[in-house]
Amino acid sequence: AAGVIQSPRHLIKEKRETATLKCYPIPRHDTVYWYQQGPGQDPQFLISFYEKMQSDKGSIPDRFSAQQFSDYHSELNMSSLELGDSALYFCASSKMGDSGYEQYFGPGTRLTVT
Amino acid sequence: GENVEQHPSTLSVQEGDSAVIKCTYSDSASNYFPWYKQELGKGPQLIIDIRSNVGEKKDQRIAVTLNKTAKHFSLHITETQPEDSAVYFCAARGSTLGRLYFGRGTQLTVWP
Repeated sequence: AAGVIQSPRHLIKEKRETATLKCYPIPRHDTVYWYQQGPGQDPQFLISFYEKMQSDKGSIPDRFSAQQFSDYHSELNMSSLELGDSALYFCASSKMGDSGYEQYFGPGTRLTVT
Repeated sequence: GENVEQHPSTLSVQEGDSAVIKCTYSDSASNYFPWYKQELGKGPQLIIDIRSNVGEKKDQRIAVTLNKTAKHFSLHITETQPEDSAVYFCAARGSTLGRLYFGRGTQLTVWP
């Protein structure tokens, strides 16, 4: 079965640079969630989109922005990167039409800021 | 917001034994409780879930129980195998908006 696709899988950036992470949800899923996971920590919710509209916002820094496009893929844009932004970034998708309960996670993007 | 606590943080069992991981949540409005297995360098994999209108659910060697009154849910793995070794996260879905609140994780090690 098709899964959530994330690119790139690994990204190395320097402080103050920008980064763009991409997420392609499972086909026919209409909702995308972004989570950040620090080393040895649990995933923390950043932001979500349903039908291309922002549906919920968590602890996402103002330096980060995201959107969902007409084909339902989503991009997380991160500017003025800081050392503390180094983490795993996961995208998850679900289908609200099926009550939207199950969230399926992608393999993640490992961001390293040096 | 929701607060999910998970215990234990580490769990070591012998192959063939059972493993139990427990979680509590704070928001009585939470209505969905998934469990994820995360292997090193991989994304969390949904292994089982339970909704608030159900008390127990089983899928082969894995079962989850929910006590809404006590705001407590548990993961039970029977006949553990070395490939069950991973970090397990419980989570709660607090509202119709869908965000998940995770526990801190349990590192399960199954010794052959």
